[in-house]
Amino acid sequence: DIQMTQSPSSLSASVGDRVSLSCRASQNINNFLNWYQQKPGKAPKLLIYGASSLEGGVPSRFSGSGSGTDFTLTISSLQPEDFGIYYCQQSYRTPTFGQGTKLEIK
Amino acid sequence: RLQESGPGLVKPSETLSLTCTVSGGSISSINEHWAWIRQPPGKGLEWIGSISSTGNTYFIPSLKSRVTFSVDTSKNQFSLRMRSVTAADTAVYYCATNVVGPIPGVNWFDPWGQGALVTVSS
Repeated sequence: DIQMTQSPSSLSASVGDRVSLSCRASQNINNFLNWYQQKPGKAPKLLIYGASSLEGGVPSRFSGSGSGTDFTLTISSLQPEDFGIYYCQQSYRTPTFGQGTKLEIK
Repeated sequence: RLQESGPGLVKPSETLSLTCTVSGGSISSINEHWAWIRQPPGKGLEWIGSISSTGNTYFIPSLKSRVTFSVDTSKNQFSLRMRSVTAADTAVYYCATNVVGPIPGVNWFDPWGQGALVTVSS
């Protein structure tokens, strides 16, 4: 299995901050990497697919980058509604998810 | 667009059965597979497997011996059956559309159902 490791495990930031979340794969996954946002009691929501393609309806402050083993999800200007847990997921082989980064608003 | 249904409580060693009803689209779409993903309370996400509209199935190896998928195109539904459950199978079970691209590796899960909590307990 391909292991996905996210860092940090949790993060607290202020409205307006630029925030970067990291995801590392245990082997090369090209750009087969997706990002999801999950809010308490809700299903995950797709934000980014193919490492850098923004899903329709997702605010442009979200962006994804990276290839190979290292990937980043960036929120350019944090908004109050951006709290939640963010998961990366590789689709290069049998799908696996990272353990998540919990983002809190200060 | 996707809605899970099924018992919320299953006894140990019995079979967990869930159905996902798809609305607003056809389960026969060739560019979409249909996935089950679970999340134990307070933990992360685990893909269980996916099924295509033609019945091709893909499973996580650790669950393959206990899991069966099926598709009912007449009802726009797909189903999960998991045998011999234990407390470790207690989780929120999500069904999701597994969007499949033109080359291997290009796929993602969107949208998801709201989730169904299944508790394994006597």
